[in-house]
Amino acid sequence: DVKVTQSSRYLVKRTGEKVFLECVQDMDHENMFWYRQDPGLGLRLIYFSYDVKMKEKGDIPEGYSVSREKKERFSLILESASTNQTSMYLCASSLAGFPYEQYFGPGTRLTVT
Amino acid sequence: AQKITQTQPGMFVQEKEAVTLDCTYDTSDPSYGLFWYKQPSSGEMIFLIYQGSYDQQNATEGRYSLNFQKARKSANLVISASQLGDSAMYFCAMREGGGGANSKLTFGKGITLSVRP
Repeated sequence: DVKVTQSSRYLVKRTGEKVFLECVQDMDHENMFWYRQDPGLGLRLIYFSYDVKMKEKGDIPEGYSVSREKKERFSLILESASTNQTSMYLCASSLAGFPYEQYFGPGTRLTVT
Repeated sequence: AQKITQTQPGMFVQEKEAVTLDCTYDTSDPSYGLFWYKQPSSGEMIFLIYQGSYDQQNATEGRYSLNFQKARKSANLVISASQLGDSAMYFCAMREGGGGANSKLTFGKGITLSVRP
């Protein structure tokens, strides 16, 4: 079974702190993704990576950065956390080719106070 | 314009009955794929079913089937014989183009399904 793990299930941080969210997958997937999920808005793509050291902006990259130094690990960084970044963060991975379905981690619920 | 539209409000279905969850999409790419995911209250996203734009037949996976109407750009999920464990939020998503950098999915806003005993 594909396993995608995220470093924390719940996280509370203060405004202005630098926050790291880690994601690891164990299926040698080329692609990895970071989403945030907010009520009524569905899932919105923040960043994705289709290879080591490669990254592409998604729909809402502002205030975030990412790092992918190893194939299995994809980190989301909030350089200076703000209250409007309070959200559920979901990591996913997929193969580069067919069938493309994404496998998701359990999510990190981040609260910024 | 939204690429994936899920406009139904919360849906209710009686246990053991069938239910259809609507999804319409918008793309000009001839090669695309459509996905449905389930998100129970525990939060994990579970892949249910996939339909490719060139697939001739509607996809089926156990109690799930996808009613794919290409001309109408709709990809409705049909759940047969609903179970209490089907109560969850359901998301429709689309991939446009091929793999690599084009592997990202666009998600709809989701539909909440509640199964009544």
